[in-house]
Amino acid sequence: DQQVKQNSPSLSVQEGRISILNCDYTNSMFDYFLWYKKYPAEGPTFLISISSIKDKNEDGRFTVFLNKSAKHLSLHIVPSQPGDSAVYFCAASSYRNDYKLSFGAGTTVTVRA
Amino acid sequence: DAGITQSPRHKVTETGTPVTLRCHQTENHRYMYWYRQDPGHGLRLIHYSYGVKDTDKGEVSDGYSVSRSKTEDFLLTLESATSSQTSVYFCAISESLFTGGYGYTFGSGTRLTVV
Repeated sequence: DQQVKQNSPSLSVQEGRISILNCDYTNSMFDYFLWYKKYPAEGPTFLISISSIKDKNEDGRFTVFLNKSAKHLSLHIVPSQPGDSAVYFCAASSYRNDYKLSFGAGTTVTVRA
Repeated sequence: DAGITQSPRHKVTETGTPVTLRCHQTENHRYMYWYRQDPGHGLRLIHYSYGVKDTDKGEVSDGYSVSRSKTEDFLLTLESATSSQTSVYFCAISESLFTGGYGYTFGSGTRLTVV
């Protein structure tokens, strides 16, 4: 049973606007949440993360928000750029599972010029 | 680049044949992982290794075996390939068990097609 869920398979956004990607999880023991970005024919690369003790982490154009009571996190990209077109995976880890990463199904973002 | 290489990058094989995928790292990281990526499922852990000759099963290990005889190499073997094992396979490495907010470093993947 998938513990990390990304219910939107795709997202299309105009260049310069905000992209909001959503992720839900079921395991309340997760300690860290990560976002990975993947281009075609390449491996996933780390983008940004957040600890379960925080509710927001920001890195340049990327901000991740965590709502523990709702078991929900989101990734905001502002402003969206053509190079942001990629698949984004949400992932989570728990000390109870040796911090092995559990991934969501991914969201394909397309930034329109 | 983190010094992680997967080979081959692409492979087409027939049902019932054995297949071995190789992951080679030059980072001397202790921890290595094999994931498969499928539409609608994201990445799922197949097997992992905490050191030489120390391996264990992940969530989708049926039909797969692994070996790690050297720190730098982690091999994934499909004993008798089936069409359901058509997928993109990713190897990942990490320096420590506690990866904190950084997770793993991934290779570029092997696209395997079983016909």
